[in-house]
Amino acid sequence: GAVVSQHPSRVICKSGTSVKIECRSLDFQATTMFWYRQFPKQSLMLMATSNEGSKATYEQGVEKDKFLINHASLTLSTLTVTSAHPEDSSFYICSARLREQVSYEQYFGPGTRLTVT
Amino acid sequence: AQTVTQSQPEMSVQEAETVTLSCTYDTSENNYYLFWYKQPPSRQMILVIRQEAYKQQNATENRFSVNFQKAAKSFSLKISDSQLGDTAMYFCAFMYNNNDMRFGAGTRLTVKP
Repeated sequence: GAVVSQHPSRVICKSGTSVKIECRSLDFQATTMFWYRQFPKQSLMLMATSNEGSKATYEQGVEKDKFLINHASLTLSTLTVTSAHPEDSSFYICSARLREQVSYEQYFGPGTRLTVT
Repeated sequence: AQTVTQSQPEMSVQEAETVTLSCTYDTSENNYYLFWYKQPPSRQMILVIRQEAYKQQNATENRFSVNFQKAAKSFSLKISDSQLGDTAMYFCAFMYNNNDMRFGAGTRLTVKP
């Protein structure tokens, strides 16, 4: 149980275009989802926290107009990278917290590798 | 602000031996959660072990155990009988009061045959 999927797993897009990444909790409801960015050989850096039905909370330094997050339902959150540039190339990981969980554990998706050419 | 420090960028261990990964953290809170996650080459984050700060007993999961020293704000991971499949990046993480999770920089562990 507690499986999180991401789609697509890899995406290549041209500079200036937008790309959407989906994060789904497959077998549980998630009131909160998180989006992370990971550069090669580095740690996960939190970009934003997404709560169902409300606006996402962005970390300092993350452009909310560039990284659009929509948590449309208890099982789906999307991250849209708008007007992508080569420096946006990275590994993006989402995670979800179980609705009634008390241990605050996050379940992670397999990640999406974005390459902007 | 909560910070997590992993001072060992890389470590190696011979198969079947024991290795300990270090983690320290800084917080003024009393109740929180600590985690160790494994990230193999597939890059899927896998929970290894979890510790609730209010519990004095160290968590154990099969070959994995922690040494939780609350006063020293230390949370090390011991891997016994290391296996080749343990080769991965290991991240220590901190979470307080239903907030977001903060990760350390990670330790790259290589298990040698």
